[in-house]
Amino acid sequence: SQQGEEDPQALSIQEGENATMNCSYKTSINNLQWYRQNSGRGLVHLILIRSNEREKHSGRLRVTLDTSKKSSSLLITASRAADTASYFCGEGGATNKLIFGTGTLLAVQP
Amino acid sequence: EAQVTQNPRYLITVTGKKLTVTCSQNMNHEYMSWYRQDPGLGLRQIYYSMNVEVTDKGDVPEGYKVSRKEKRNFPLILESPSPNQTSLYFCASITKGASNQPQHFGDGTRLSIL
Repeated sequence: SQQGEEDPQALSIQEGENATMNCSYKTSINNLQWYRQNSGRGLVHLILIRSNEREKHSGRLRVTLDTSKKSSSLLITASRAADTASYFCGEGGATNKLIFGTGTLLAVQP
Repeated sequence: EAQVTQNPRYLITVTGKKLTVTCSQNMNHEYMSWYRQDPGLGLRQIYYSMNVEVTDKGDVPEGYKVSRKEKRNFPLILESPSPNQTSLYFCASITKGASNQPQHFGDGTRLSIL
């Protein structure tokens, strides 16, 4: 399977704490995209990091990319209950196909 | 507003009864695709289309058909649905060749095949 993996599969933290999720991928990427999915809902794009970038910030989100290890991490700082969701990384290659990992379920306790 | 619209959002039906899930985008995107999402398996691509009348299989195409007669529409057809096609389905679109832009996803269609 070409699918990558997110780690951990599930994460439970308290409001105000930071949450870190990791993504390992298998293909040669043009970019790595992170999406959020609230329970049973659609995918919301969070942040895209290109293969020649190492770190990117957007609000409380920080994404890093290590192409030598084929891995990426998503850090959510000062988490809120509203951040409770599943988070997926998607490998963007030369075609427009996205290869998704299996996701991390984040629960932020108020 | 730029959007990808799927219909229906929810459907419960029976084995063997043909059904179609519609997908429409208003962004003039060439590339459209269908994914299914299953617990523990993430999202897997079913079919994709690079442009009108150009479609190809993704990773899990068995039991599905698609068509692309117009640029904005990309329906997913289940000719003879079976219970193993019970899943959450997403349609997505993007400008062809836009390799460093995010894709736009619909809100999903939850299918239950009894």
